[in-house]
Amino acid sequence: DAKTTQPPSMDCAEGRAANLPCNHSTISGNEYVYWYRQIHSQGPQYIIHGLKNNETNEMASLIITEDRKSSTLILPHATLRDTAVYYCIVRVPNRGGGSQGNLIFGKGTKLSVKP
Amino acid sequence: NAGVTQTPKFRILKIGQSMTLQCAQDMNHNYMYWYRQDPGMGLKLIYYSVGAGITDKGEVPNGYNVSRSTTEDFPLRLELAAPSQTSVYFCASSYLGGSYEQYFGPGTRLTVT
Repeated sequence: DAKTTQPPSMDCAEGRAANLPCNHSTISGNEYVYWYRQIHSQGPQYIIHGLKNNETNEMASLIITEDRKSSTLILPHATLRDTAVYYCIVRVPNRGGGSQGNLIFGKGTKLSVKP
Repeated sequence: NAGVTQTPKFRILKIGQSMTLQCAQDMNHNYMYWYRQDPGMGLKLIYYSVGAGITDKGEVPNGYNVSRSTTEDFPLRLELAAPSQTSVYFCASSYLGGSYEQYFGPGTRLTVT
């Protein structure tokens, strides 16, 4: 799997947009970008994923650069409950067995949303 | 749906003891996973299963065993517990196909002394 690079920590003011960057310069053509987050002491939670087009759901937006070497997760109106560690992961969405599709978690970005 | 459930929530073991961490899911997912998370680190995959009767090693399998006799249950066995196995253990499950997101349980915090 391609490796990702994320800043170790970021701050964001409550109500403002939180923009979390991720570099994945060695991503392969068939690898997707996935984002998960982990609120303190809880299990990780899926946020969003994409291949090359920008994606949006009820939680966040994912912006992937045209060359796919980096992406940004956007939380449009951060709240205190969004304080968490955010993981950017690239992998093949395996559907046929084997270890190709397994998630590889790095250290992520610790986002602190402040009042 | 209860989603992914794990028991116990906390456990203290003495060195050399054995125990089984329980994991169950009620979403009819084919894939199930066990991860461990050491303080300040990301999750590391211990074992995974792509269906009942099929298991495979992940990144850090030494000191652990798993079985998958049903779709719903995926227990993790620790034999001869060691201090290096002090960690938080997370179980997860996912569909075969689809968006392939993984759903995680609340975790088991294990201390080996």
